[in-house]
Amino acid sequence: DTEVTQTPKHLVMGMTNKKSLKCEQHMGHRAMYWYKQKAKKPPELMFVYSYEKLSINESVPSRFSPECPNSSLLNLHLHALQPEDSALYLCASSQDSGAGGRVRAFFGQGTRLTVV
Amino acid sequence: ELKVEQNPLFLSMQEGKNYTIYCNYSTTSDRLYWYRQDPGKSLESLFVLLSNGAVKQEGRLMASLDTKARLSTLHITAAVHDLSATYFCAVGESGGGADGLTFGKGTHLIIQP
Repeated sequence: DTEVTQTPKHLVMGMTNKKSLKCEQHMGHRAMYWYKQKAKKPPELMFVYSYEKLSINESVPSRFSPECPNSSLLNLHLHALQPEDSALYLCASSQDSGAGGRVRAFFGQGTRLTVV
Repeated sequence: ELKVEQNPLFLSMQEGKNYTIYCNYSTTSDRLYWYRQDPGKSLESLFVLLSNGAVKQEGRLMASLDTKARLSTLHITAAVHDLSATYFCAVGESGGGADGLTFGKGTHLIIQP
């Protein structure tokens, strides 16, 4: 199983809504990531979890709140988003040996988020 | 700050031709990735290159890495229409612990019959 599964695939939410994006992997990877990708742009790193601890937070606004309940799951809680937050949100996972021995990073299919 | 530059950003070519996409990065890295993205889709992993001189081939695509020059190339041989997509290189910084990837801007490749 080399899959990273993201749900939902599409989400439309109002600016006052609270919603969550979910990501799951069963490859035993201990590093999980959230990226944001706007149209015709490269993915941009938002958060990194390593061994269920937040290790990188790339100055993302607090209306995005990540959570890693266990080593297989990663959530992204959304609250009071703005229309400019509309984008494709990608989850990824990779092996992390802690010694630079990481190999391929697998990406989920993404959640296409539209904020209205 | 790690910077990743890809060129060209846009490439239109005919079927049967060969071409190369270049990826330069600014700091030491222990891994470089190539991804393919079709419109509206996620990223498909093509190659991961982990050492100087690494060369990997899959079908009509071949990737190489020169860590001294901080340069990777993705070479397309005898292009076919199905290879039309956006190709990204991505680089992870050296060192232990999990870190994310920094992506180049992508090369939008159109292959015309």
